[in-house]
Amino acid sequence: DVVLTQTPPTSSATIGQSVSISCRSSQSLLDSDGNTYLYWYLQRPSQSPQLLIYLVSKLGSGVPNRFSGSGSGTDFTLKISGVEAEDLGVYYCVQGTHDPRTFGGGTKLELK
Amino acid sequence: QVTLKESGPGILQPSQTLSLTCTFSGFSLSTYGMGVGWIRQPSGKGLEWLANIWWDDDKYYNPSLKNRLTISKDTSNNQAFLKITNVDTADTATYYCARIASYVYYGFDYWGQGVMVTVSS
Repeated sequence: DVVLTQTPPTSSATIGQSVSISCRSSQSLLDSDGNTYLYWYLQRPSQSPQLLIYLVSKLGSGVPNRFSGSGSGTDFTLKISGVEAEDLGVYYCVQGTHDPRTFGGGTKLELK
Repeated sequence: QVTLKESGPGILQPSQTLSLTCTFSGFSLSTYGMGVGWIRQPSGKGLEWLANIWWDDDKYYNPSLKNRLTISKDTSNNQAFLKITNVDTADTATYYCARIASYVYYGFDYWGQGVMVTVSS
């Protein structure tokens, strides 16, 4: 199975600060169809996960543009440009290129 | 408006079969490119994908549990189902169903609220 390693496991930020979360894959996530099936989700406390980013860098519906995704191959980054209080929670990267679909271990974003 | 809601037994004993239902609205599992997946999360831990079922009845399972999982659907009643046989305490978790949509390149774009399942003797 593909292992996704997220760093840092915990990130502390002040409101307005920019933060980056890394997701490193044990295998390239570039599919034979030319797409890279890498997603980012946010799980707020006591809530279900919500889709933020798909195909590495495309924003999900209704997702603020302070969120951005980048990367290729095995290294990916989620950036939040100006953290807001509603952004606190656990962020997961997920890959869908290789079966089975696997999740990263999560990065908890908390207030400093 | 897309909504999904999971239902299940709440608590069951080791070796029993867990039966989960996902009742959804706002989309059809007979529509090309649509699917429903099941994901679980033990309390305080990360997420684990279990299985997907697609509009054309294709099914995919996590190999680590494949022999114990059965996913199915009832398109006319907008429901998807997951059965897990021979449960043990390690299956204690919150179970989510989520829609998979081709327009987001098969990401899980809508999730249910989750249903807690406890396996205990």
